[in-house]
Amino acid sequence: KNEVEQSPQNLTAQEGEFITINCSYSVGISALHWLQQHPGGGIVSLFMLSSGKKKHGRLIATINIQEKHSSLHITASHPRDSAVYICAVSPNMDSNYQLIWGAGTKLIIKP
Amino acid sequence: DVKVTQSSRYLVKRTGEKVFLECVQDMDHENMFWYRQDPGLGLRLIYFSYDVKMKEKGDIPEGYSVSREKKERFSLILESASTNQTSMYLCASSLMKGKRNTIYFGEGSWLTVV
Repeated sequence: KNEVEQSPQNLTAQEGEFITINCSYSVGISALHWLQQHPGGGIVSLFMLSSGKKKHGRLIATINIQEKHSSLHITASHPRDSAVYICAVSPNMDSNYQLIWGAGTKLIIKP
Repeated sequence: DVKVTQSSRYLVKRTGEKVFLECVQDMDHENMFWYRQDPGLGLRLIYFSYDVKMKEKGDIPEGYSVSREKKERFSLILESASTNQTSMYLCASSLMKGKRNTIYFGEGSWLTVV
């Protein structure tokens, strides 16, 4: 079993829909990261959180440390949100420079 | 704006060639990483470095080596390229270990070995 599991693997939705992507992990962590990868390769960090909730524009990330679960929400989705969304965790250890990566969720927003 | 720059976006190399992938960051970060990304396998760590001249193996170091002579530059070397090293390679950097830090990625280098 992977230590970081994302669901769904693939998601197709219509423009304007509310999107939720989930991430569950099985290790103790110091932080959880959400990243976005557009076709063509580059990866951009969206959020890093260790508790509660963060919001940036139409993106909201939440984390429940007790349940070892995080969600990424996109409100009023738009075709430009189409990308792969990746969850990664920084495990609790002396040096947290190694991240454990989820497999990613491929999101397609249709106009 | 923070920046991680990878020297080549697309490369085609022949089997057996020595390949250099260069990465430069302008954020004075201590940590630098090389990942490869393959369909269905996600990101896999090849090597990382937490200081100049320091390196540690990641999950899949076989067939690769790295060099970090200056803080801002981290090079990935394929000593003798093979077709199973055809992949996308991503360089990343972050602040020093022991802290919760955002990781910054380059745009990726698509390597095809023929």
